[in-house]
Amino acid sequence: QQQVKQSPQSLIVQKGGISIINCAYENTAFDYFPWYQQFPGKGPALLIAIRPDVSEKKEGRFTISFNKSAKQFSLHIMDSQPGDSATYFCAATYNQGGKLIFGQGTELSVKP
Amino acid sequence: EAGVAQSPRYKIIEKRQSVAFWCNPISGHATLYWYQQILGQGPKLLIQFQNNGVVDDSQLPKDRFSAERLKGVDSTLKIQPAKLEDSAVYLCASSRWTSTDTQYFGPGTRLTVL
Repeated sequence: QQQVKQSPQSLIVQKGGISIINCAYENTAFDYFPWYQQFPGKGPALLIAIRPDVSEKKEGRFTISFNKSAKQFSLHIMDSQPGDSATYFCAATYNQGGKLIFGQGTELSVKP
Repeated sequence: EAGVAQSPRYKIIEKRQSVAFWCNPISGHATLYWYQQILGQGPKLLIQFQNNGVVDDSQLPKDRFSAERLKGVDSTLKIQPAKLEDSAVYLCASSRWTSTDTQYFGPGTRLTVL
């Protein structure tokens, strides 16, 4: 019940295309859903986050779509660029100090 | 604003040896986290401190791992004795207060146990 399942494991997208990464959770107590971006040799960095009171959040080329009834959320990267090539992790936690549970990661490669 | 500092960046040890990692969080951040990231997986929380108190250590293998955060600032994570399966990147992160505040990660320490 504490798991966050992420798919696909790897993704290859052409430059200018849309990258879509999906995550699913079971614990309905989760109320904070961040996405992290990690480049090789670096620690993860927060990309964008959403709370379940909204169905979508957009920041630049990055959009989170959230479906509370299905317990799913996804990251969309519009106009994908080679510089977006990295590993992306979804995560979930709940307020009052709950620990952050990470998905397994998606390795994104954007081809020029 | 300086980021989260970790040292060493790399460590290679033999199994059954001991090793220690150091973390200096962002100034003013009350909460410090240690994560274990095995190759090809997401980070897994080992221990979470708020100031110098432990909030969550439910996934810390306490028979071999220990951590402390003296004076609510720097922290060390120790493994004694190390096993082959401890080979991983150990990430330190900090946030202003709770886990729903942005967590800032350090570059990690890559541990190889031979």
